[in-house]
Amino acid sequence: GQNIDQPTEMTATEGAIVQINCTYQTSGFNGLFWYQQHAGEAPTFLSYNVLDGLEEKGRFSSFLSRSKGYSYLLLKELQMKDSASYLCAVMDSNYQLIWGAGTKLIIKP
Amino acid sequence: DAEITQSPRHKITETGRQVTLACHQTWNHNNMFWYRQDLGHGLRLIHYSYGVHDTNKGEVSDGYSVSRSNTEDLPLTLESAASSQTSVYFCASSDGSGEVNEQFFGPGTRLTVL
Repeated sequence: GQNIDQPTEMTATEGAIVQINCTYQTSGFNGLFWYQQHAGEAPTFLSYNVLDGLEEKGRFSSFLSRSKGYSYLLLKELQMKDSASYLCAVMDSNYQLIWGAGTKLIIKP
Repeated sequence: DAEITQSPRHKITETGRQVTLACHQTWNHNNMFWYRQDLGHGLRLIHYSYGVHDTNKGEVSDGYSVSRSNTEDLPLTLESAASSQTSVYFCASSDGSGEVNEQFFGPGTRLTVL
């Protein structure tokens, strides 16, 4: 079966760095997405990786290792507004997105 | 600005009633999707469409139907609502022709079936 695993909840301090991991087992791979979802709102696109390596976009970076079925989202200089759920999703061989359950990130002052 | 909207935003209905949730996008995207989101689960795909008159079943399609008569709209119908269909429903769209093909989401509809 297809499976996306990510931690349920993480806590970090304002101004610090946090890494949210995602491991996956899917039938085929056509890219990995990270989305941010604030409570009661829609998911919004953060990043996309299809090749191994690090993609940097401002305070957010995303890393992919296809051989290990592994990705992480790195958030630097954390701000209170970064408190949200972070969703990992893999596009499988049918070009469908398979979603993890999300990681709730709590930022403390 | 292009956008994707859903209506209603909140709906309470009774078991056995037919319910239709609307989704409208002005991105001119070919691809449209319906998901449900429940605590402890990732987004689960209900139905999707790659163009006008095209519809396909997703992972959790039982009890739901869609139709695509134009590019902008993909209404989701619950034929006979059940309590297990209490959830938050998200509609999404994507271009389908770009390199990334990220999905853009509507604001969601919170449905309660009593």
